[in-house]
Amino acid sequence: DAGVTQSPTHLIKTRGQHVTLRCSPISGHKSVSWYQQVLGQGPQFIFQYYEKEERGRGNFPDRFSARQFPNYSSELNVNALLLGDSALYLCASSFGPRNEQFFGPGTRLTVL
Amino acid sequence: AQRVTQPEKLLSVFKGAPVELKCNYSYSGSPELFWYVQYSRQRLQLLLRHISRESIKGFTADLNKGETSFHLKKPFAQEEDSAMYYCALSGPILQGGSEKLVFGKGTKLTVNP
Repeated sequence: DAGVTQSPTHLIKTRGQHVTLRCSPISGHKSVSWYQQVLGQGPQFIFQYYEKEERGRGNFPDRFSARQFPNYSSELNVNALLLGDSALYLCASSFGPRNEQFFGPGTRLTVL
Repeated sequence: AQRVTQPEKLLSVFKGAPVELKCNYSYSGSPELFWYVQYSRQRLQLLLRHISRESIKGFTADLNKGETSFHLKKPFAQEEDSAMYYCALSGPILQGGSEKLVFGKGTKLTVNP
């Protein structure tokens, strides 16, 4: 198993655009969490999904949304991008919402 | 409010010296505390969690509820311990239960030969 995979690895967008980030969990894991990591900071929780339902949401604006598919993969969508959205976006998967989280390599988003 | 504070952004020690990475937390309740590590060009991974009370790669961490601390210690640092270390706290059970993690800003440990 390759572990948690994320695509793309890098992405450059301009202000006002929309972006979709993708995450494939470890086989057998049903929970996916998304984190934003701004340079010099620790990861900050955005969303958690379990069995295709949202289980938690961090302090992020409505421009951020996510969903989980029947195969437990997940997408994070960000609308109307701002310069401040530039960050590393991490996905983590776990068996369930209270189990150990395994992190992917992240997607580096740059907003110009 | 839930908060994790790692006061040292950078920590440099020599090989064989003891190392302690500090972590203080703010949480109203009984938290679960973790240490995550990120080696160069690798993904973030769990090092240890306080409920397991294990020693991983020679590292230990004790939860001190009186001082609200969860410092990471190793008696003899090795060069391969050089990495970014994050202390994290498991937040409250959200709707239906989730393990939202609250991270500190991290400490970059460098172990010199």
